Amino acid sequence: EPEVTQTPSHQVTQMGQEVILRCVPISNHLYFYWYRQILGQKVEFLVSFYNNEISEKSEIFDDQFSVERPDGSNFTLKIRSTKLEDSAMYFCASSYTQSAVEAFFGQGTRLTVV
Amino acid sequence: AQSVTQLDSQVPVFEEAPVELRCNYSSSVSVYLFWYVQYPNQGLQLLLKYLSGSTLVKGINGFEAEFNKSQTSFHLRKPSVHISDTAEYFCAVIPTGGGNKLTFGTGTQLKVEL
Repeated sequence: EPEVTQTPSHQVTQMGQEVILRCVPISNHLYFYWYRQILGQKVEFLVSFYNNEISEKSEIFDDQFSVERPDGSNFTLKIRSTKLEDSAMYFCASSYTQSAVEAFFGQGTRLTVV
Repeated sequence: AQSVTQLDSQVPVFEEAPVELRCNYSSSVSVYLFWYVQYPNQGLQLLLKYLSGSTLVKGINGFEAEFNKSQTSFHLRKPSVHISDTAEYFCAVIPTGGGNKLTFGTGTQLKVEL
């Protein structure tokens, strides 16, 4: 069964450092998403991406965040200068249609900022 | 905007006992409803979804959920749980009119004990 793959599974970084989280979506999917879950809180939508553009983003997704599909297979989330409050589980998802009704999620990357 | 409430943060239950995980939602528009499961150290896996038709929806691993529009609820049930059902369960919604943003609840930790 096709799956969304995220690397690394766990990343520890120092405050102020840049971090890139990587995702390989399902190959024929066209829509890509990032969500995050701060420990003990809700899973929150960050951003959706289609046709090499951000289609929607939340208030959380400020200038410190960016997304990219650099090579047609990977989908990355970059945090330019990490803060302690960026510590969370980050989930990548992809779907073939525009609606997230059919979205498949990856296993997540746990980011710890120290 | 939509919101999802899962009142029970933790539900302990003995193996082979029935369980119900509660989910209520608030929305000014019609929504589709989902339950996701997150096993330890794994990603979000779709358990079941309600899009239309019969309000009783059956999912994987013997789980089912019933959509109650008047009570704006979508409670998850299983008649007899197994130790392997120990996981975090998330309820989520998305507007039927389209959209690529799932709104999640805070999750319910189901702990099945021998």
